Amino acid sequence: EVQLLQSGGGLVRPGGSLTLSCAVSGTTSGTYAMNWVRQTPGKGLEWVSAISVNGRGTYYEDSVKGRFTISKNTSTNTLYLQMNSLRAEDTAVYYCAKERSGAPNDFEIWGQGTRVTVSS
Amino acid sequence: EIVMTQSPASLSVSLGESATLSCKASQHVISNVAWYQQKPGQAPRLLVYSASTRATGIPPRFSGSGSGTDFTLTISSLQPEDSAIYYCHQYNNWPPRYTFGQGTKVEIK
Repeated sequence: EVQLLQSGGGLVRPGGSLTLSCAVSGTTSGTYAMNWVRQTPGKGLEWVSAISVNGRGTYYEDSVKGRFTISKNTSTNTLYLQMNSLRAEDTAVYYCAKERSGAPNDFEIWGQGTRVTVSS
Repeated sequence: EIVMTQSPASLSVSLGESATLSCKASQHVISNVAWYQQKPGQAPRLLVYSASTRATGIPPRFSGSGSGTDFTLTISSLQPEDSAIYYCHQYNNWPPRYTFGQGTKVEIK
C-alpha cells in the first residue's frame, strides 16, 4: 500500500523559510508526478506546485513562483517543498499528493497534511 | 485559469436517500475531473477519477458522470459516514494549472 508521510511545518515569521518533506513508501516505481496542495478556510484547496516523473520539470502557482522550490530525492523516495520569503497568506495546511501515473492526472494518494503558520 | 464551480454549497439529505452534487468547469476539460471526499481533520480522499471511474475501494453508491464542462457526483443510499465535504478537481492542463471547486458540504438528516 502506497503511503505518504509528511514532516516539517510549524510557525515561522514573515520573510522566513521552511522546508516540508513527504516520504513515499510502498512503491519504488517512480513513474508518477508529485504535487503540493494547500488548504485554507478562505480559499479552499489550492494547487501549489508539481514535479514531473523524471524530476526535470517543476511547476508553480503564480503566487509562489520564485519563492517556493519543489524537489525530490529519488534514492530516498522523498518529496520536498522549500518555502522562502514566507507571507501571512501562505498560512495553510499543506498536503503532498501523488498523481496516478505520469501527468496530468488525479491525485490518488494524499499525505496527512502539515500546518504552516506565518505570523509575527 | 479554469474555474470549477460547485453547487449547492451545502445540502442536508435523509439517511438512505440520494444526493446529487454538481461541478461546472469554465472551459472544456474533456473527462479530466476527479472527486474527493474530505472529513474534518483528514486529508482529501479520492472517490472518482476520469469523471466516472471509481477509485479502488470506493463503494458503488458513489458514481460520477459528465464530460466537457458539466460533471455530477451522485451518492445513493446515503450512509452516516458520507457526511463530509466533497470537492471536484480538474487536471486538464499541462503544464499543470490544476484547480479545485470550492466544495459541497453534505450533511445527513
